[in-house]
Amino acid sequence: AQRVTQPEKLLSVFKGAPVELKCNYSYSGSPELFWYVQYSRQRLQLLLRHISRESIKGFTADLNKGETSFHLKKPFAQEEDSAMYYCAHRPLDMRFGAGTRLTVKP
Amino acid sequence: DTGVSQDPRHKITKRGQNVTFRCDPISEHNRLYWYRQTLGQGPEFLTYFQNEAQLEKSRLLSDRFSAERPKGSFSTLEIQRTEQGDSAMYLCASSSGFPTNEKLFFGSGTQLSVL
Repeated sequence: AQRVTQPEKLLSVFKGAPVELKCNYSYSGSPELFWYVQYSRQRLQLLLRHISRESIKGFTADLNKGETSFHLKKPFAQEEDSAMYYCAHRPLDMRFGAGTRLTVKP
Repeated sequence: DTGVSQDPRHKITKRGQNVTFRCDPISEHNRLYWYRQTLGQGPEFLTYFQNEAQLEKSRLLSDRFSAERPKGSFSTLEIQRTEQGDSAMYLCASSSGFPTNEKLFFGSGTQLSVL
């Protein structure tokens, strides 16, 4: 089945440290991949799309077809990055991974 | 507020009762999604509309669940004969534009508690 997998439920880093949230996908062809974020007491919202090759709030995500991964990275984590992060893909409609809770400690 | 709105925010019901939730998408959005989310899990896909047409429905969804989107505007999600396992946050999202560049806008959700 086509799906995305986020192997880490929890991730904790110190402020200023690099952070990488992992996402692996399990289908062939050209994937349509996204990262969504949910800050405390806020709605789930789009962070970035792989097709846009954008950097949002210092985050980037590179599609690696060889490793079938779409990991989210930021070189220097900030406390305000603490949130739930969901990797998502769009075979026909939008499907989400289980999420990773990122905590950035001061 | 021109975002996605969901009503009610919270619903407490007894097992066996029927419940209905409403979602008002952003007005120009032609796609509308329903998801269910339980604690510690990501949003689980329930169903998807393109305008008024229901294009996809999760195989995990039992016959007790039904959704409509009359006239391609607001949508309702009904759960009949609720069970305790139906307790969850029910999320609605809407979008428009080219699918590969899709951006979902989410509502705040309806928290259902089945006693």
